[in-house]
Amino acid sequence: AQSVTQLDSQVPVFEEAPVELRCNYSSSVSVYLFWYVQYPNQGLQLLLKYLSGSTLVKGINGFEAEFNKSQTSFHLRKPSVHISDTAEYFCAVSGTSGTYKYIFGTGTRLKVLA
Amino acid sequence: KAGVTQTPRYLIKTRGQQVTLSCSPISGHRSVSWYQQTPGQGLQFLFEYFSETQRNKGNFPGRFSGRQFSNSRSEMNVSTLELGDSALYLCASTSQTGNTEAFFGQGTRLTVV
Repeated sequence: AQSVTQLDSQVPVFEEAPVELRCNYSSSVSVYLFWYVQYPNQGLQLLLKYLSGSTLVKGINGFEAEFNKSQTSFHLRKPSVHISDTAEYFCAVSGTSGTYKYIFGTGTRLKVLA
Repeated sequence: KAGVTQTPRYLIKTRGQQVTLSCSPISGHRSVSWYQQTPGQGLQFLFEYFSETQRNKGNFPGRFSGRQFSNSRSEMNVSTLELGDSALYLCASTSQTGNTEAFFGQGTRLTVV
């Protein structure tokens, strides 16, 4: 069984400040890891994904994440946030066996303050 | 390339009724998954279909069912609606070419009154 924990339900940050959204996972098998963003009344948009290879993954809109196998973490970072980054962010895992069942964390609401 | 299309976007139904939601995946994608999103439970996996076969099922009662057609379009049905079924229902499609990214539709907002 797999699970995902997003430790922070809400993160307020001032515009142009750095931000880190935390994600820890648990799994007995190899996993793929994802970060998705959701704007109000919208679906989910993929920010970045880790499948294999380099543990530092760069995504869209200046976001990046680092896969840490020993700490079972996949934290999302951005060096300088913008007002438009205000949204809900979801970390997700899936198995690598080819069936596309995602387990999502409970989400972190990022609020960027002017 | 058109994205994942879900219809309708909004629905209001009465307790006890049944509802059918539709999802058209990205052209060429053969896997379609459904998720329920609520403020209390977050995003929960309902089921996944591939080539008209259900491959995975989440922990939902039998009132929730789905199917996939030969053109990969999918429908989910909820019978005997309960107030707790009010949620955003999201559909995601995935290519089978090794890129496991799921592309999500905008969702159907179901309100049960």
